[in-house]
Amino acid sequence: DQQVKQNSPSLSVQEGRISILNCDYTNSMFDYFLWYKKYPAEGPTFLISISSIKDKNEDGRFTVFLNKSAKHLSLHIVPSQPGDSAVYFCAASEGGNEKLTFGTGTRLTIIP
Amino acid sequence: ETGVTQTPRHLVMGMTNKKSLKCEQHLGHNAMYWYKQSAKKPLELMFVYNFKEQTENNSVPSRFSPECPNSSHLFLHLHTLQPEDSALYLCASSQDWLAGANEQFFGPGTRLTVL
Repeated sequence: DQQVKQNSPSLSVQEGRISILNCDYTNSMFDYFLWYKKYPAEGPTFLISISSIKDKNEDGRFTVFLNKSAKHLSLHIVPSQPGDSAVYFCAASEGGNEKLTFGTGTRLTIIP
Repeated sequence: ETGVTQTPRHLVMGMTNKKSLKCEQHLGHNAMYWYKQSAKKPLELMFVYNFKEQTENNSVPSRFSPECPNSSHLFLHLHTLQPEDSALYLCASSQDWLAGANEQFFGPGTRLTVL
């Protein structure tokens, strides 16, 4: 049973618009969440994270929102740029350890 | 070399072969990880080493045998694999397994095909 779910396998967004990637989780013990970005033929690279004591974390064009009651987080990218085209993975951990549980990823395509 | 490197990048092997995957991190980290990514499945954690000691074995079959001779190097020895073991094998490192959830830095992966 997948504890971290990314229900949209793909998403296409016009350049300059907002990209919203969603992630749901089932384990209420998860208290730290991360987003990774992966280009073809490369390993995933860390993008942004959020602790369960916060509901929002922002880093430049990237903002992650956490809704604990809904067990849902989202990644907003604004404005979207062609270089943002990649696969985005949501990951979660519990108890402050580094055992990450990943989602299956969402392929984001930015249309010029 | 910087970051996390993995060799080989591609590997094709028969079910009776023995091969090894190598990972090296140049970040001064103390924790290293092996992940498996099969098609349309999430990344699955296989093994964790913290300060050269194995701290996690995620019910991985014995045909996969990890080795961590020092904090910078991690190997995955493969023998008598099955076709369903074909996948992308990713190595990652982080500062310290016990230091709290820090971001993990990934290598580019080895694409393994078992015939």
